[in-house]
Amino acid sequence: GDSVTQMEGPVTLSEEAFLTINCTYTATGYPSLFWYVQYPGEGLQLLLKATKADDKGSNKGFEATYRKETTSFHLEKGSVQVSDSAVYFCALSDRKFYFGTGTSLTVIP
Amino acid sequence: DTAVSQTPKYLVTQMGNDKSIKCEQNLGHDTMYWYKQDSKKFLKIMFSYNNKELIINETVPNRFSPKSPDKAHLNLHINSLELGDSAVYFCASSREGQEYYGYTFGSGTRLTVV
Repeated sequence: GDSVTQMEGPVTLSEEAFLTINCTYTATGYPSLFWYVQYPGEGLQLLLKATKADDKGSNKGFEATYRKETTSFHLEKGSVQVSDSAVYFCALSDRKFYFGTGTSLTVIP
Repeated sequence: DTAVSQTPKYLVTQMGNDKSIKCEQNLGHDTMYWYKQDSKKFLKIMFSYNNKELIINETVPNRFSPKSPDKAHLNLHINSLELGDSAVYFCASSREGQEYYGYTFGSGTRLTVV
């Protein structure tokens, strides 16, 4: 069946460091891929998405590219800020939605 | 103009009580969901309704009963609350056939059973 695997956290980075959170997926069809972010005490917000192979989703300095050949959708940001501290969820949609287990990111000044 | 709203935001109650959580969406979406998030942030789908009909019912104790009076509302009623029910419950919605646009989530209801 379909599934999403993302790197375990927690991840702690200094401000302005480079961020990568790995995400790989298994799907029988042609899913859409998403990154959601959950700030402390809040619900999940859609951060970015990509609907087909080689698409790049981007938002707020974050990027992820849909790589069909490696079945991956890694999240990257060139320079993180303290305000990026949150839990990040990778997800795929192929009629049903599948979430990864979440990766907690803490950015320290 | 909140898209998906849940009430209450916090709920503290004693074991054995019955409680309800309400969810409303004003996006015109056809499908609504309930998710449970545990203390490790793991998200588990509980139920899904499409146009007031139940379409997903994962392995959830039958103490949990969803009710959808219309396609804009999906409420969750929990009977005989147990300590293990403590979690954050999220409501979400999507447009049928357009799940590739993603889900829109409410801000969650933190349930604490004491």
